[in-house]
Amino acid sequence: DAKTTQPNSMESNEEEPVHLPCNHSTISGTDYIHWYRQLPSQGPEYVIHGLTSNVNNRMASLAIAEDRKSSTLILHRATLRDAAVYYCILRDHFGNEKLTFGTGTRLTIIP
Amino acid sequence: DSGVTQTPKHLITATGQRVTLRCSPRSGDLSVYWYQQSLDQGLQFLIQYYNGEERAKGNILERFSAQQFPDLHSELNLSSLELGDSALYFCASSVAGRLPLHFGNGTRLTVT
Repeated sequence: DAKTTQPNSMESNEEEPVHLPCNHSTISGTDYIHWYRQLPSQGPEYVIHGLTSNVNNRMASLAIAEDRKSSTLILHRATLRDAAVYYCILRDHFGNEKLTFGTGTRLTIIP
Repeated sequence: DSGVTQTPKHLITATGQRVTLRCSPRSGDLSVYWYQQSLDQGLQFLIQYYNGEERAKGNILERFSAQQFPDLHSELNLSSLELGDSALYFCASSVAGRLPLHFGNGTRLTVT
């Protein structure tokens, strides 16, 4: 799977939007962009995924650049419960569904 | 609650011993995945089973083995344990090998 690059850490104030960036310059046409997060003392949980178009769900929004070389996970109104490590992962649609996790971004929410 | 159950939550054992970690997937999920998370290595994929058959293998040591039973639960066996095997071990499951993966809350293994 192609590689992603994320900042090691970010901070945001509570109740403000958070934009978590991910670079994936070597993305292929069949790679989906997946986001998972891992809260303290828990296993990773699915957040959102997309291919080309921007996506919204109850947890977050995913904005994908037109050239697909980068994407941004948007938490519209961060709460203390959103403090977690966020992983941006590329997965080939035609490949095995196992996920390869990088180091992710540790998001700290400031009350 | 992801629906994936892992037991035990914590395990403390000595070097050289053997342990078995158990995972019950979500109801209806046929695929089971095992991951290891240590402080210096992050989340590493170990092995995947689909409906009882091994489907993909990652960085799994020869001292480690896994299997998936007819009732779809899975066990990860770790033998000749070393201090470096201390880690969180996560199990995940998915429907018929499709994403997303649903993770359990892990078993924390401490080898002393």
